[in-house]
Amino acid sequence: QQQVKQSPQSLIVQKGGISIINCAYENTAFDYFPWYQQFPGKGPALLIAIRPDVSEKKEGRFTISFNKSAKQFSLHIMDSQPGDSATYFCAACRDNFNKFYFGSGTKLNVKP
Amino acid sequence: KAGVTQTPRYLIKTRGQQVTLSCSPISGHRSVSWYQQTPGQGLQFLFEYFSETQRNKGNFPGRFSGRQFSNSRSEMNVSTLELGDSALYLCASSLSAGVTEAFFGQGTRLTVV
Repeated sequence: QQQVKQSPQSLIVQKGGISIINCAYENTAFDYFPWYQQFPGKGPALLIAIRPDVSEKKEGRFTISFNKSAKQFSLHIMDSQPGDSATYFCAACRDNFNKFYFGSGTKLNVKP
Repeated sequence: KAGVTQTPRYLIKTRGQQVTLSCSPISGHRSVSWYQQTPGQGLQFLFEYFSETQRNKGNFPGRFSGRQFSNSRSEMNVSTLELGDSALYLCASSLSAGVTEAFFGQGTRLTVV
């Protein structure tokens, strides 16, 4: 059973556009939701994370929107740049358990 | 501040052999987790160590094992390698048990032939 479902699998956005990636989770005990960015040949890098007590968190061009009742969260990348082209993973875990369940990844391509 | 260091970066092994991968966490971090990344299965949790004890374990066969040393460095071992074990093995470092912010190393690319 896939604990975290991520969509779309791939995304093409024009430079300056908004990239939106969605995730849904099953386990209501999850209470930490990070997003990771991975470039080819590199490990995932932590981008931004949120806990369920807030509905939105913004860091620079990256925003997480969180809907606890729908068990969904999404990553918005504003003013997308070619350098943002990478694979993005959402994840979820329970507090005090450093065991992440990852989404299947979204390959983002930002066209110049 | 140095990041998470994994060695070696690349490994080629033959079916049936065993392999040991190493991970040095960020200085001061005491929790180390291991993940397997494959195109088909994505990122899957293997296990987590804190204070030299395994705290959490994923759904992998007993051929996959790990340990953590007193300096927080960790090793994982895979015995009797199978072709399906070919993957990128990633180590994640966290400050402590229950501190969920995790930072990944660059991984070890294992190819089993």
